[in-house]
Amino acid sequence: GAGVSQSPSNKVTEKGKDVELRCDPISGHTALYWYRQSLGQGLEFLIYFQGNSAPDKSGLPSDRFSAERTGGSVSTLTIQRTQQEDSAVYLCASSLVLGQETQYFGPGTRLLVL
Amino acid sequence: GNSVTQMEGPVTLSEEAFLTINCTYTATGYPSLFWYVQYPGEGLQLLLKATKADDKGSNKGFEATYRKETTSFHLEKGSVQVSDSAVYFCALRPPGSGNTGKLIFGQGTTLQVKP
Repeated sequence: GAGVSQSPSNKVTEKGKDVELRCDPISGHTALYWYRQSLGQGLEFLIYFQGNSAPDKSGLPSDRFSAERTGGSVSTLTIQRTQQEDSAVYLCASSLVLGQETQYFGPGTRLLVL
Repeated sequence: GNSVTQMEGPVTLSEEAFLTINCTYTATGYPSLFWYVQYPGEGLQLLLKATKADDKGSNKGFEATYRKETTSFHLEKGSVQVSDSAVYFCALRPPGSGNTGKLIFGQGTTLQVKP
């Protein structure tokens, strides 16, 4: 596609429910990144993918968070048993190759946990 | 550790005013430095970057100079327009993180330009 797309754009869920956030990177981009933008905390790096592989999961906030990428394209970020502190905007970015200076960001998914 | 500190907003200016948004960083070695902009309802876009000391990044009338001696990367524009109203993020990529692509962002500074 023309740019990075994310869905849903907004998600409201009840505490304890699971949510899945989707990222569709720019076609041909091998690297994909997830960030979280929390109120008052700025942008926080969560995880990166090189192809379908995520070698370092240490940036994920807790073991309730997981991410996968299939076919070297679409990625999903799953949050299990959501908590109110998970409320944030989740941003996805992609780049042609890993570590390339320019990362292209999607519009984000705004998650609200009630 | 690595961190970025930006001036708090919002910054409110009249059209054609001079803009400075301060950004300082903490990092070991020589990071790459970036300014990203987020217009209302849109995703983050790279505005400009600098990869080594004394480099000047520029785009759309905005400039920022990589100052190693003051660990700063202040964003400037000589004459702002209403269309520049957005949130501006300063960011760094730590040296040696080329194999992760990890960016470290500041808190963001909201700029409001009034006609």
